[in-house]
Amino acid sequence: AQRVTQPEKLLSVFKGAPVELKCNYSYSGSPELFWYVQYSRQRLQLLLRHISRESIKGFTADLNKGETSFHLKKPFAQEEDSAMYYCALSEPSSGSARQLTFGSGTQLTVLP
Amino acid sequence: DAGVTQSPTHLIKTRGQQVTLRCSPKSGHDTVSWYQQALGQGPQFIFQYYEEEERQRGNFPDRFSGHQFPNYSSELNVNALLLGDSALYLCASSGGVRGRGETQYFGPGTRLLVL
Repeated sequence: AQRVTQPEKLLSVFKGAPVELKCNYSYSGSPELFWYVQYSRQRLQLLLRHISRESIKGFTADLNKGETSFHLKKPFAQEEDSAMYYCALSEPSSGSARQLTFGSGTQLTVLP
Repeated sequence: DAGVTQSPTHLIKTRGQQVTLRCSPKSGHDTVSWYQQALGQGPQFIFQYYEEEERQRGNFPDRFSGHQFPNYSSELNVNALLLGDSALYLCASSGGVRGRGETQYFGPGTRLLVL
């Protein structure tokens, strides 16, 4: 069964400090990995996905198949990065969007 | 485009009752997925509808059922409500252009409280 683990429920860093949100997964194959973010009073939205290999709002995430991890990183945190972050996994798809399996989330607080 | 919309925003029911939640997908989308998010947890997949049929289903009992209409909007029905059904119910839409790695866009959710 597929599973996503985010070991930290809460994470606090100071503005300008590097931040890393951890995500580990279990899946027997090559999944698609995503990071979703939910800012205060806003809906859940896609931040980035591993197949795009892009940087969004300064965030990057590298899929490490050997360690089955997909950690989210940003070199210099900003106060507006404070939000709930969810790591998610889906089966690879060549058609319609597959079901997402989410982790339990990490609440990031960036202190001034 | 208002994006994905859901109604109602909040709902209070008692045990044993039945509830219907509604979702309108983002313009141009034809696939709707439903998720349940309990307090302090990540969303959990319930099922997905495409072409008015259930295409995928998560580990939820038959008390949870759904429907998709010709205009792609969808309903989630829950029968014989239990206290444990109290949660935020999220709708996500996708599709329009078939291809690998479609993005799911989420609605604001319906918060259900079962007393």
